[in-house]
Amino acid sequence: NAGVMQNPRHLVRRRGQEARLRCSPVKGHSHVYWYRQLPEEGLKFMVYLQKENIIDESGMPKERFSAEFPKEGPSILRIQQVVRGDSAAYFCASSQTANRNNSPLHFGNGTRLTVT
Amino acid sequence: DQQVKQNSPSLSVQEGRISILNCDYTNSMFDYFLWYKKYPAEGPTFLISISSIKDKNEDGRFTVFLNKSAKHLSLHIVPSQPGDSAVYFCAASYGNKLVFGAGTILRVKS
Repeated sequence: NAGVMQNPRHLVRRRGQEARLRCSPVKGHSHVYWYRQLPEEGLKFMVYLQKENIIDESGMPKERFSAEFPKEGPSILRIQQVVRGDSAAYFCASSQTANRNNSPLHFGNGTRLTVT
Repeated sequence: DQQVKQNSPSLSVQEGRISILNCDYTNSMFDYFLWYKKYPAEGPTFLISISSIKDKNEDGRFTVFLNKSAKHLSLHIVPSQPGDSAVYFCAASYGNKLVFGAGTILRVKS
């Protein structure tokens, strides 16, 4: 059973470029979450998606950031016109249900984005 | 607004002794609490959880205690092993929200 797969593991972008981060959830999981970890900080919630729908994007910056989870294929976190402050580790997690009580999140190994 | 706080950035413990990691929260809406463990260059992995209707949950060497009145939970690891050295994140949830603390680095010395 494959866990949550994220790619690429490392991504380097110059300021102003676009970054695309991919996440394939655990097979059978339809709930996907994106978290960001800045250096010396914890995991900050960004967005929660359930197949083709954004359920909660309260943690995502209003500009430049977008996320999708299409019917087919991986979830994509897209950052347009990246800036140095976007440099962080981005973690994707998936769960079978939305109920945290019986469905802990399974995390991928993250994508480390470096903006030069 | 930091709703989940882990005030100790790091903890160093001798192998075989007890490790106690602490976590405080501010939001009374939280009804489920979890601990995750994270090794460098890997994603967090779920360790143990506790519902707000309980005050203790045990799984092998790991025990989580919840004090609702104090809005405080702790993770006890007994006996500590070198392989337990990692970053430990406390997390609290209600609805679909899951809020993480900043983490505590645990070093177990052999």
